[in-house]
Amino acid sequence: EVQLVESGGGLVQPGGSLTLSCAASGITFGTHYMSWVRQAPGKGLEWVADINQDGSDTYYVDSVKGRFLISRDNAENSLYLQMNDVTGDDAAVYYCVASSWTEYWGQGTQVTVSS
Amino acid sequence: QSVLTQPPSASGTPGQGVTISCSGSSSSIGSNYVYWFQQFPGTAPKLIIYRNNWRPSGVPDRFSGSKSGTSASLAISELRSEDEAVYYCATWDDSLSGRVFGGGTKLTVL
Repeated sequence: EVQLVESGGGLVQPGGSLTLSCAASGITFGTHYMSWVRQAPGKGLEWVADINQDGSDTYYVDSVKGRFLISRDNAENSLYLQMNDVTGDDAAVYYCVASSWTEYWGQGTQVTVSS
Repeated sequence: QSVLTQPPSASGTPGQGVTISCSGSSSSIGSNYVYWFQQFPGTAPKLIIYRNNWRPSGVPDRFSGSKSGTSASLAISELRSEDEAVYYCATWDDSLSGRVFGGGTKLTVL
């Protein structure tokens, strides 16, 4: 059974930092293209960042460029999202997504931004 | 405003069929696979169609996807009350170098 388990969400102050993690099991992690997708309260889905299979290529939505960093550790079957200089617009549920022939989604981790 | 355009709402009665459209561009739907997701309130999106028209294991064959040019559609036949959810389309956009989503269509089963 494929499982993607996100963690690391919580309350962060504006301007603060947070690192999200995603632990994968049931897939050959190193062969999957990985993404973070978020959903603000009451809103639709928004792609945040992608990383290719060996971590050599990364892509970001314009609104997080220079503030967020996606990375992966294939030996640990883990995906990360380092979030810096967080703003209220970053408050959302963050989902981890693994893509190959098909794709798998985690259950999400909530990020709340408040002082 | 979403890169992919979906109607905000759709409806049908039990047993009927309904189609949800998703309109994009040559750099998005026109050049890439389309994915469809079903989401219930308070839960994670569930993949129901991938690579335009493939269904993951466990998804009923009442759900089908198609793509033509820069548009895609999700068809749901024999509507059931449990199909009431929000449906999102998604694809990659070569111009934006990123994944793009539709704004979502809330399906109501009357």
